[in-house]
Amino acid sequence: DAKTTQPPSMDCAEGRAANLPCNHSTISGNEYVYWYRQIHSQGPQYIIHGLKNNETNEMASLIITEDRKSSTLILPHATLRDTAVYYCIVSGGKLIFGQGTELSVKP
Amino acid sequence: DAGITQSPRYKITETGRQVTLMCHQTWSHSYMFWYRQDLGHGLRLIYYSAAADITDKGEVPDGYVVSRSKTENFPLTLESATRSQTSVYFCASSEVGVSTDTQYFGPGTRLTVL
Repeated sequence: DAKTTQPPSMDCAEGRAANLPCNHSTISGNEYVYWYRQIHSQGPQYIIHGLKNNETNEMASLIITEDRKSSTLILPHATLRDTAVYYCIVSGGKLIFGQGTELSVKP
Repeated sequence: DAGITQSPRYKITETGRQVTLMCHQTWSHSYMFWYRQDLGHGLRLIYYSAAADITDKGEVPDGYVVSRSKTENFPLTLESATRSQTSVYFCASSEVGVSTDTQYFGPGTRLTVL
């Protein structure tokens, strides 16, 4: 019953922007899009969330399409420490973690 | 230190033994959660608590017991551990609710049941 689809893995060069896509074509009007990441052997870490407007914080930007069927998490200047699994979650009940995207930032 | 802590960080036990995993948060968050993470399954919710003395089942509650006598503590007990409960357990807390809030996770407890 996965509500989101993400690529299993992506690479990014250090210092470049990392753009992580997520499809959520069945999202309902009251459901938020959340992004978390999990660095190896650590607990998941909240990054950002949004409903319909684009959002930005000190960690990342979230771009949500007008029809809300997809979104993109942008890490503007990726560093080696951003290597992690990134989870896109559509939340209208409980947080359900899928398999995420394994982002590898390479020097 | 402020935040959410879990203890022990690593635990090895035997089948049939009782094990309690501890979770403590200093933010006075209302909600607390227990997840387990296994290869191929991602994180799955075991139990959650909306406030002291209020708990509810998540996706995979069988074999686990929780209690919440104080807001800051949310222990998870495996009454009779089984090998299938070998996993990494994460505790989390949030301020508002299960659905539309940010959850803060602890560092995890790696449990091995022999």
